[in-house]
Amino acid sequence: DTAVSQTPKYLVTQMGNDKSIKCEQNLGHDTMYWYKQDSKKFLKIMFSYNNKELIINETVPNRFSPKSPDKAHLNLHINSLELGDSAVYFCASSQERRTEAFFGQGTRLTVV
Amino acid sequence: GENVEQHPSTLSVQEGDSAVIKCTYSDSASNYFPWYKQELGKGPQLIIDIRSNVGEKKDQRIAVTLNKTAKHFSLHITETQPEDSAVYFCAANGAGNKLTFGGGTRVLVKP
Repeated sequence: DTAVSQTPKYLVTQMGNDKSIKCEQNLGHDTMYWYKQDSKKFLKIMFSYNNKELIINETVPNRFSPKSPDKAHLNLHINSLELGDSAVYFCASSQERRTEAFFGQGTRLTVV
Repeated sequence: GENVEQHPSTLSVQEGDSAVIKCTYSDSASNYFPWYKQELGKGPQLIIDIRSNVGEKKDQRIAVTLNKTAKHFSLHITETQPEDSAVYFCAANGAGNKLTFGGGTRVLVKP
């Protein structure tokens, strides 16, 4: 009964491929996020959705496209993967945007 | 936008000693300051938070202080134990209630 779950946990792929990471939360939260953590552990927000509506879209290449089919899911699709996309991607959720965010376990993406 | 700076980047303490991590933020409108602990191979986990209407909050061995005038806040861990070893992140909610994280502090508690 994991609160925020991501799949897969590890993803190794070649440059130029397209891949997706899935995220689901069972906390009944209405806001979900994608964060990127680089090799130096720096955490940066990429996207935020509130009730399936995009509310934060940071300066992220348009090769990254989030999709929220419903309040409990926020998937991240990445086109034409590049070496620099290698990082750990975290999904998170919160109730509204004013309270604590709960993070998933992360997806370690390695582009070779 | 909000800018959060965190110091030190690494901190080594002897078991039983205290650890202090400090953060500063830039956006005076920020009013929510959480602290997260990230263990190896796991996602960040909220350990304590503070809102701008209080100056200090304590939960067992951990405490946070907030100085809104100076725009800085700190995490204090007392009686450190080996299981406290992890990376700790501070954060502040900037414009649009977007959480901006500090650069992290790697804490090592030596037995």
